[in-house]
Amino acid sequence: RKEVEQDPGPFNVPEGATVAFNCTYSNSASQSFFWYRQDCRKEPKLLMSVYSSGNEDGRFTAQLNRASQYISLLIRDSKLSDSATYLCVVNRMGNTPLVFGKGTRLSVIA
Amino acid sequence: EADIYQTPRYLVIGTGKKITLECSQTMGHDKMYWYQQDPGMELHLIHYSYGVNSTEKGDLSSESTVSRIRTEHFPLTLESARPSHTSQYLCASSETLGGEAFFGQGTRLTVV
Repeated sequence: RKEVEQDPGPFNVPEGATVAFNCTYSNSASQSFFWYRQDCRKEPKLLMSVYSSGNEDGRFTAQLNRASQYISLLIRDSKLSDSATYLCVVNRMGNTPLVFGKGTRLSVIA
Repeated sequence: EADIYQTPRYLVIGTGKKITLECSQTMGHDKMYWYQQDPGMELHLIHYSYGVNSTEKGDLSSESTVSRIRTEHFPLTLESARPSHTSQYLCASSETLGGEAFFGQGTRLTVV
């Protein structure tokens, strides 16, 4: 089983749509959780950290379910500029480097 | 914008040449990383460092080597480049080992 698994997509959605991405991780000792965004041929950039209580940043909402080892990202009112690959990122346990999922590609269409 | 820089951005080189990919950060981060990413594929950790004089191998076996003589500098070297080394190499740094990682713009390496 891969350490971080994501639906690869692509997700093709119209502007204004709500889209949800899911991610599962294999190591129950993981402590850090993030969503990164990677544009085509660019470096990954942090979108948001994911906290146990869930957190929101504008149109973006992240949720963590430790019992199910599941992370989600919800994007409301999709914009053309949201088109990118969204990477689910965790660390294995304690103080260890981050492990990146393969990413879910999103295309927002006018 | 993250203060982490990679040079060169693009490199096309012949088989058998020795190459060094440079990575520098001005954030004072102790932790630094090298990831390798093929087009459309996930990032694979190939090397990381806890701090000066520390280097560790990552998850993906790599023929490259790294050094960490100064906090701000984490170069990656390939002694003899081969076409199988063609990929994008991304350098990153973070304040803590499991914390937010800041990436450089990457080096696209093509070995012909």
